[in-house]
Amino acid sequence: AQSVSQHNHHVILSEAASLELGCNYSYGGTVNLFWYVQYPGQHLQLLLKYFSGDPLVKGIKGFEAEFIKSKFSFNLRKPSVQWSDTAEYFCAVFSGTASKLTFGTGTRLQVTL
Amino acid sequence: DTAVSQTPKYLVTQMGNDKSIKCEQNLGHDTMYWYKQDSKKFLKIMFSYNNKELIINETVPNRFSPKSPDKAHLNLHINSLELGDSAVYFCASSPFGRGGNEQFFGPGTRLTVL
Repeated sequence: AQSVSQHNHHVILSEAASLELGCNYSYGGTVNLFWYVQYPGQHLQLLLKYFSGDPLVKGIKGFEAEFIKSKFSFNLRKPSVQWSDTAEYFCAVFSGTASKLTFGTGTRLQVTL
Repeated sequence: DTAVSQTPKYLVTQMGNDKSIKCEQNLGHDTMYWYKQDSKKFLKIMFSYNNKELIINETVPNRFSPKSPDKAHLNLHINSLELGDSAVYFCASSPFGRGGNEQFFGPGTRLTVL
């Protein structure tokens, strides 16, 4: 069964620090990859997605992610975080075989002033 | 205009009761989903419907029964509620049938079973 791992459970950064959140998945076939964000008390919103093509994808709010097929990874990055980036971040993988979206356990990002 | 809406937003009830959560999407999507988010924020799919047909049923107790009267609506009925059912339930929808595209999430329903 496919699985998605987010090794950073809770990350605390100061404003302007750089961010990288790890995401690894177990499925070896063709996948679609997503990062979602959940701000406190809100629903999930899409940050970015990768289907094919350039493995470096840019999303909203200055976020980007890089798909490295050989490492089964899709890490999320942002060069300079803001206090408003405080949220829960979820990596998700869709495989055609499983026909479902599997989420990682989430990473709680706390940005301090 | 709300793309995916859920009612109610909060639901507090006693053990053993039966309750329903409603979901509607106005995006014209073919596929709808129910997810459960537990207290540790872990999101797990429960059901998926494609054009009113059940396509995913993820080892969810029989007490949970989804109903899709049309492709814009997917309701979740829960019988004999248990303490462990307390969670936030999210509805979502996506185009093109199989969820490989972006899923759009509703605001969630926080269910508390006392």
